[in-house]
Amino acid sequence: ELKVEQNPLFLSMQEGKNYTIYCNYSTTSDRLYWYRQDPGKSLESLFVLLSNGAVKQEGRLMASLDTKARLSTLHITAAVHDLSATYFCAVVIIQGAQKLVFGQGTRLTINP
Amino acid sequence: KAGVTQTPRYLIKTRGQQVTLSCSPISGHRSVSWYQQTPGQGLQFLFEYFSETQRNKGNFPGRFSGRQFSNSRSEMNVSTLELGDSALYLCASSLDILAGGYNEQFFGPGTRLTVL
Repeated sequence: ELKVEQNPLFLSMQEGKNYTIYCNYSTTSDRLYWYRQDPGKSLESLFVLLSNGAVKQEGRLMASLDTKARLSTLHITAAVHDLSATYFCAVVIIQGAQKLVFGQGTRLTINP
Repeated sequence: KAGVTQTPRYLIKTRGQQVTLSCSPISGHRSVSWYQQTPGQGLQFLFEYFSETQRNKGNFPGRFSGRQFSNSRSEMNVSTLELGDSALYLCASSLDILAGGYNEQFFGPGTRLTVL
């Protein structure tokens, strides 16, 4: 059974600092999503990573995928308060139909 | 283009009752998936429907069921509600134009179910 593990689960950081969230998964998959969720809200798609070595950047966020290591990272550069949210990675499993297996989520708090 | 819509947005029920949640996918999307989100278990896959057929099912008891209509709208039903069914239920739709291929899922706002 596929397991997806994120770390850290909780992260409190100061504005202006850099940090990385890690997402490890246990079974071969070459497709991975990163989502953002604000309290009480739905999931907002941030990045879709489709192949080994994929790197995508949007503003202060950058995501990468290493399918051989079964590892994805979400790097935050010069954090700002607006990035405070819970971030999930999700690995795509295709068994007749695709489904997403989510990590536990990383609750990120950025302090002014 | 309108996004995924879910109704109702909030629901309060008591133990033993049953509940039906509705999801309307993005126009043209034929695949609808349901996920349950709880603080303890996180986000878990419930089931996926395509062309009115359930193609994939997660590890949930038979009290959880669903269906999809010819217009791709989907409903999920939970019978004999338990306190542990309190959760945010999220619906996601995708095009599913390639069998076995990649199809991004777009999530609706969710239905917050509280069981008392």
